[in-house]
Amino acid sequence: NAGVMQNPRHLVRRRGQEARLRCSPMKGHSHVYWYRQLPEEGLKFMVYLQKENIIDESGMPKERFSAEFPKEGPSILRIQQVVRGDSAAYFCASSHPGQGAYEQYFGPGTRLTVT
Amino acid sequence: DAKTTQPNSMESNEEEPVHLPCNHSTISGTDYIHWYRQLPSQGPEYVIHGLTSNVNNRMASLAIAEDRKSSTLILHRATLRDAAVYYCILRDGDTGANSKLTFGKGITLSVRP
Repeated sequence: NAGVMQNPRHLVRRRGQEARLRCSPMKGHSHVYWYRQLPEEGLKFMVYLQKENIIDESGMPKERFSAEFPKEGPSILRIQQVVRGDSAAYFCASSHPGQGAYEQYFGPGTRLTVT
Repeated sequence: DAKTTQPNSMESNEEEPVHLPCNHSTISGTDYIHWYRQLPSQGPEYVIHGLTSNVNNRMASLAIAEDRKSSTLILHRATLRDAAVYYCILRDGDTGANSKLTFGKGITLSVRP
């Protein structure tokens, strides 16, 4: 059973470009979470999605950031008009509803560098 | 989510037990205690969780104080691979099985060979 997959692992964008980060949850998982880790800082929650629904976006910046988890395909975190402050590691996690442990399984992350 | 307090760092010797403390004096009755760890340059990894009773799994043990205001993660024999940042996190059981994780600064564990 493959783990959570994220791609690309490394992404370089110039200021003003768009960044698209993809996350494929573990097989059978229908809940996806995105977290951001700025350099030398802790992990911060961004958004929680179920298939075709945003459940909690309390950690998402108000502008330029959006997320989706379509019925088919991976979850996408989209950052428009990137700025240097968006440089960070972005982690995706997934979980399976109904499992007793309710743990979240994390992917290896996408490291975004904005030049 | 209720707040947790952990020391900034801890050192251990390889093959010795490690006790990582966590204080959560404002824990509510429905809060679960979760531990995750993050190895260098990797995503976080679930370690263990519990509510009231002590818990054991293949990775670690979790000892929960009787008043639940503190807990201790126990690694029985530290290896170099256990060097990581360990996060103690409270999750409200009332908000459902699936909810966000609120990470603090965690405790950085160093393991000496």
